[in-house]
Amino acid sequence: DAKTTQPNSMESNEEEPVHLPCNHSTISGTDYIHWYRQLPSQGPEYVIHGLTSNVNNRMASLAIAEDRKSSTLILHRATLRDAAVYYCILRGIIQGAQKLVFGQGTRLTINP
Amino acid sequence: GAVVSQHPSWVICKSGTSVKIECRSLDFQATTMFWYRQFPKQSLMLMATSNEGSKATYEQGVEKDKFLINHASLTLSTLTVTSAHPEDSSFYICSARDHGGGWSPLHFGNGTRLTVT
Repeated sequence: DAKTTQPNSMESNEEEPVHLPCNHSTISGTDYIHWYRQLPSQGPEYVIHGLTSNVNNRMASLAIAEDRKSSTLILHRATLRDAAVYYCILRGIIQGAQKLVFGQGTRLTINP
Repeated sequence: GAVVSQHPSWVICKSGTSVKIECRSLDFQATTMFWYRQFPKQSLMLMATSNEGSKATYEQGVEKDKFLINHASLTLSTLTVTSAHPEDSSFYICSARDHGGGWSPLHFGNGTRLTVT
């Protein structure tokens, strides 16, 4: 799997937007960009994914650079419950085992 | 939505004993499940891919004889940590994908915290 690079930690304030960056300069044309997050003492949960176009869902938005070498997860209005480790993961369309390989992620702290 | 349940959520065992962790897909069938291990302050490390009705595929460096995986049905995979030692103390997490009805994200259980004394 191609490698992703994320900041180790970020901090934001409650009710403010949060932009979590991810660099993936070696992404291939068939790699999807996935984001998962892990709340303390829980298993990860799916947040969003995309290929080329920006994506929105009820949890977040995903902005993908035109060259696809970077992406940004956007939490529009952070709450204390958004404090978690956020993982940016690349997955190819064709993967026999369809496994997810996690990097170190970004630990997001939300200040009240 | 799809739910993956793990049991137990935590377990304490003595060194040398074996511990079995169950992973169930509650409302979908999963031909493939994945087992991860996570040490404090670290990321998830994939241990193995559990395949229903066949042998599990282990990642490099993971001892298959120590971490026994059985995937006997489409809704249940088990991980048995044999002859556990204190260094096996970790957070074990399973995951599965619902393959019915198109694309689905990977669903994770809430993990099992194993402490070996």
